[in-house]
Amino acid sequence: DAGVIQSPRHEVTEMGQEVTLRCKPISGHNSLFWYRQTMMRGLELLIYFNNNVPIDDSGMPEDRFSAKMPNASFSTLKIQPSEPRDSAVYFCASRSSGLNTGELFFGEGSRLTVL
Amino acid sequence: AQTVTQSQPEMSVQEAETVTLSCTYDTSESDYYLFWYKQPPSRQMILVIRQEAYKQQNATENRFSVNFQKAAKSFSLKISDSQLGDAAMYFCALGEGAQKLVFGQGTRLTINP
Repeated sequence: DAGVIQSPRHEVTEMGQEVTLRCKPISGHNSLFWYRQTMMRGLELLIYFNNNVPIDDSGMPEDRFSAKMPNASFSTLKIQPSEPRDSAVYFCASRSSGLNTGELFFGEGSRLTVL
Repeated sequence: AQTVTQSQPEMSVQEAETVTLSCTYDTSESDYYLFWYKQPPSRQMILVIRQEAYKQQNATENRFSVNFQKAAKSFSLKISDSQLGDAAMYFCALGEGAQKLVFGQGTRLTINP
């Protein structure tokens, strides 16, 4: 089975540009999570969805960040406009609540650099 | 609120020796899960071991085992017979039911040949 698929793997952009990160969860998983990893703050949860519905977006830093999950197999995280402090690795993870094991399955991450 | 604390930013161990990574947590729930994830330089997050809070028996996975002390809210990871491939960042994480996972700050483990 394919794991969680994220794209792009690397993104370099200039301040002020729009950035869109994409995620395809594992088929059959009904929960999806976006995390951000930086040296200073570690792994922070930005938002998560259950059955395509946003449940907790309290970790989204500000209005420049938005996330959508239009269907069970696709999610996007958008930053507009981007700033240098948004530089980080962004992870998408998914889970099946039916398995009742609690673990998250992570993608390989998208490394974002904002110049 | 859930919190996870890893007090050891860095650890090192000689190859073939045993090392223990510490983790403490706080939660008001009685039903929860604890995890150790490994992040090698490839940055892929890999599940190492999982513990259900209702189970008294400590989880083991080959050379990896945990010491789960529920009353003390402590969850340490022991790696036996350390191998060069064990070098990575290790994250302790806490999850409550179908909710999010909260991660500790991580411990960087170096294996000395």
